[in-house]
Amino acid sequence: NAGVTQTPKFRVLKTGQSMTLLCAQDMNHEYMYWYRQDPGMGLRLIHYSVGEGTTAKGEVPDGYNVSRLKKQNFLLGLESAAPSQTSVYFCASSSGRLLSDEQYFGPGTRLTVT
Amino acid sequence: AQSVTQLGSHVSVSEGALVLLRCNYSSSVPPYLFWYVQYPNQGLQLLLKYTTGATLVKGINGFEAEFKKSETSFHLTKPSAHMSDAAEYFCAVSDRLRGYQKVTFGTGTKLQVIP
Repeated sequence: NAGVTQTPKFRVLKTGQSMTLLCAQDMNHEYMYWYRQDPGMGLRLIHYSVGEGTTAKGEVPDGYNVSRLKKQNFLLGLESAAPSQTSVYFCASSSGRLLSDEQYFGPGTRLTVT
Repeated sequence: AQSVTQLGSHVSVSEGALVLLRCNYSSSVPPYLFWYVQYPNQGLQLLLKYTTGATLVKGINGFEAEFKKSETSFHLTKPSAHMSDAAEYFCAVSDRLRGYQKVTFGTGTKLQVIP
């Protein structure tokens, strides 16, 4: 089992460029999440999905879009990157059925916007 | 809304000393609480979790945490720090919001272990 994988691992963008981050999980989880991690702020939820074909906004959704066309994949898009989106992005998945379910995290994508 | 507060963004301990990382929660209902660890350049992984039942929870790598309802705390401890424990630790609380499992993370505590 690969668990949760993310591509790419690193990316540098210029302001205004676009990109898509890919997250894949092989645990048949219904729930998938995108977080961003910034120093001193912990993890903040960008968007989440409770199943194939569904997405919803989290705490900090502005400037991002997501899609969940297949159960195992969750894509995060930046249409017009801004320096404020420089961050480390983590994808996570869980079965989500119980409040005690743990989330499984990918290794992260470090994005720099210049 | 449920939340967690981690006291101390950085903690330094000597190798072999007690590790104590503090977490207080705010919840109107019995909480589901977690500790996650993040090693450098890696994602988060679960250390331990409290659901119901025994208030002393044992996790991986010798860590444990005690749920104290009267103090609304869920502090993480390890009797003897090892160099490999150097990492960032996150306390988290789970809640249900609009039908999904919402997990709220604390701001993290970086643990430095001094040889």
